[in-house]
Amino acid sequence: ETGVTQSPTHLIKTRGQQVTLRCSSQSGHNTVSWYQQALGQGPQFIFQYYREEENGRGNFPPRFSGLQFPNYSSELNVNALELDDSALYLCASSSWDSQETQYFGPGTRLLVL
Amino acid sequence: SQQGEEDPQALSIQEGENATMNCSYKTSINNLQWYRQNSGRGLVHLILIRSNEREKHSGRLRVTLDTSKKSSSLLITASRAADTASYFCATDSGGSYIPTFGRGTSLIVHP
Repeated sequence: ETGVTQSPTHLIKTRGQQVTLRCSSQSGHNTVSWYQQALGQGPQFIFQYYREEENGRGNFPPRFSGLQFPNYSSELNVNALELDDSALYLCASSSWDSQETQYFGPGTRLLVL
Repeated sequence: SQQGEEDPQALSIQEGENATMNCSYKTSINNLQWYRQNSGRGLVHLILIRSNEREKHSGRLRVTLDTSKKSSSLLITASRAADTASYFCATDSGGSYIPTFGRGTSLIVHP
């Protein structure tokens, strides 16, 4: 157990809808990263938040957005859902001073119909 | 895009045997890490090896890094059924510590 929690564990949405996924980081960690993992693939970096600001972004369109709160928890929002957004969404926390080691939550499995 | 590529894609062994997985990458790195993932759940960090290191051990795990060949290997000795999982290598490079993952090796250990 890493101490990183995510909610919900599973979610089913229809194309065009919006979704919000939540993550609570491990105690003492101030940096949160989000990843998308399609079936049979490795995780793909979406973005990272540090001190409530986006600190880096992967190759994902603007309809993927996020927030980090003062307690370092975070949200991932996806608008205008597409079928290809079906995936496992992973949140990982780290400390800014030791960013190379990230601790992952159990993930949220999203199915878009 | 994937930076690291694991080989083989799938590996099936008997309990007690050793399992070796390889990872190749394309550009110079700062660090290389190995993660384990059970049944589509979260990733568990196994070991980190820095670019100036050649070998690290952690329990039954041994990781080697050959920067001249841009490759790494993960050896799991005396495997157990509980080692059944997908194993990913991840690299970071330049000024970014964001890890880039490969597609993983699926390991099945038969009891």
